[in-house]
Amino acid sequence: GAVVSQHPSRVICKSGTSVKIECRSLDFQATTMFWYRQFPKQSLMLMATSNEGSKATYEQGVEKDKFLINHASLTLSTLTVTSAHPEDSSFYICSASPSGGGNYEQYFGPGTRLTVT
Amino acid sequence: GESVGLHLPTLSVQEGDNSIINCAYSNSASDYFIWYKQESGKGPQFIIDIRSNMDKRQGQRVTVLLNKTVKHLSLQIAATQPGDSAVYFCAESTGGGNKLTFGTGTQLKVEL
Repeated sequence: GAVVSQHPSRVICKSGTSVKIECRSLDFQATTMFWYRQFPKQSLMLMATSNEGSKATYEQGVEKDKFLINHASLTLSTLTVTSAHPEDSSFYICSASPSGGGNYEQYFGPGTRLTVT
Repeated sequence: GESVGLHLPTLSVQEGDNSIINCAYSNSASDYFIWYKQESGKGPQFIIDIRSNMDKRQGQRVTVLLNKTVKHLSLQIAATQPGDSAVYFCAESTGGGNKLTFGTGTQLKVEL
C-alpha cells in the first residue's frame, strides 16, 4: 500500500516550452502533497506544499508563476514548469501525505528527470 | 537557500561490517526525524524514524540514535550488504506538520 506514482519518469523539452509533471497517490487519498527538486549529488529541496482545493504554498525563492501547482483532487497534483530553461533541468520528486493519517506520514514518488535543451 | 557542495560525503565499508552514518540537524525545535535511502534515479525510501522524546529506536538491521543535546542523528546498519549501497538522507520535521527539511546526504558504498 501507500504507492505514489509520477508521470512522466523522464522528459526532454526545448527551452521556452512548458512541461507538466503528474503526481498520483494510487491507493490512498492525499490532502497534502509536496514537490521537491534535487540537483545531481545534492539533497532534496522543498519547492512547495500543495493542498487539495487551495493554493499551493511556495518556499522562499521558488517562483510561483514559473512552477505552477494544481491539486484538483485528493489523488492528483500536477507541477507545470513554464517557459523552461536549461537551469530548470533537475530531478523533481513529489510526496503525498494520507488524509487522516498520522501527522508525519509521507510517501515519495519515483521522481521525474527533466532535461531542458 | 541551502548551500550544498557538489560532492556527497562518502562512506565505504566492507560487506558484512557495520555502517554508521551521521547527520547534524539544524533546528532545536524539530520533533521528528526520519532516515531515507535513495538509490540512483529513484525517490527516497523510508528506512526508520524517531520522535524527539526518544533517543534510540531499532528496526530490522537498522538503529537510529538521537542526541538532542548536540543536535545529532545517526543511522547504524548492521551487517551491511551490497544492496545497502545508496545515498542516505536524514530529514527533520517541526511542530507536528509534514514539512520535511533534508540533510545533505551520505553516499554509502559497500565493497565486496
